[in-house]
Amino acid sequence: EDKVVQSPLSLVVHEGDTVTLNCSYEVTNFRSLLWYKQEKKAPTFLFMLTSSGIEKKSGRLSSILDKKELFSILNITATQTGDSAVYLCAVEGIFQGAQKLVFGQGTRLTINP
Amino acid sequence: DSGVTQTPKHLITATGQRVTLRCSPRSGDLSVYWYQQSLDQGLQFLIQYYNGEERAKGNILERFSAQQFPDLHSELNLSSLELGDSALYFCASSVGQRQETQYFGPGTRLLVL
Repeated sequence: EDKVVQSPLSLVVHEGDTVTLNCSYEVTNFRSLLWYKQEKKAPTFLFMLTSSGIEKKSGRLSSILDKKELFSILNITATQTGDSAVYLCAVEGIFQGAQKLVFGQGTRLTINP
Repeated sequence: DSGVTQTPKHLITATGQRVTLRCSPRSGDLSVYWYQQSLDQGLQFLIQYYNGEERAKGNILERFSAQQFPDLHSELNLSSLELGDSALYFCASSVGQRQETQYFGPGTRLLVL
């Protein structure tokens, strides 16, 4: 069965700390892995990863994919209170000829001032 | 504001009823995706339409159906509603067929009593 597991489920750190969020997956015919940030409302897209070992970076956020070990990490450096959110990992696969997107349960990140 | 609109914002109905949720994608986007987010299940991908045709299917129940119209807006129909269908329903849109950068609407909060 296709599944995406994120860890930790919840993380509380102080402003300025660096955090690493993990996403491991088992998906049929992997195509891509996506990270989203969800604050109070709808998720917003962060990264899409398709190739192993290539880091994607956006400001203080970066992410990398390991297709051999079937996981990805999302790093946030110099965290700010505005980074507090649920971070979702989703993996796109092909199952019986059709695309399928499977989400993890999310990591709730809280940044304390 | 992502440019994706969803109506209604909130919906309260009774078990056994049928409701229709509406989504208008961003201008120029051909794909529409529907998601269900509940407290215990997290974010679940339901279905994707691309230019009027079903493109990918996720964990969508048989009681649920969707369609995308020639003007590219989409409707999600939920019938024989059960208490467990109470959730936040998101619509997202993207330019192409792949599940790449998706822009999420604000969601419709459905409460089934």
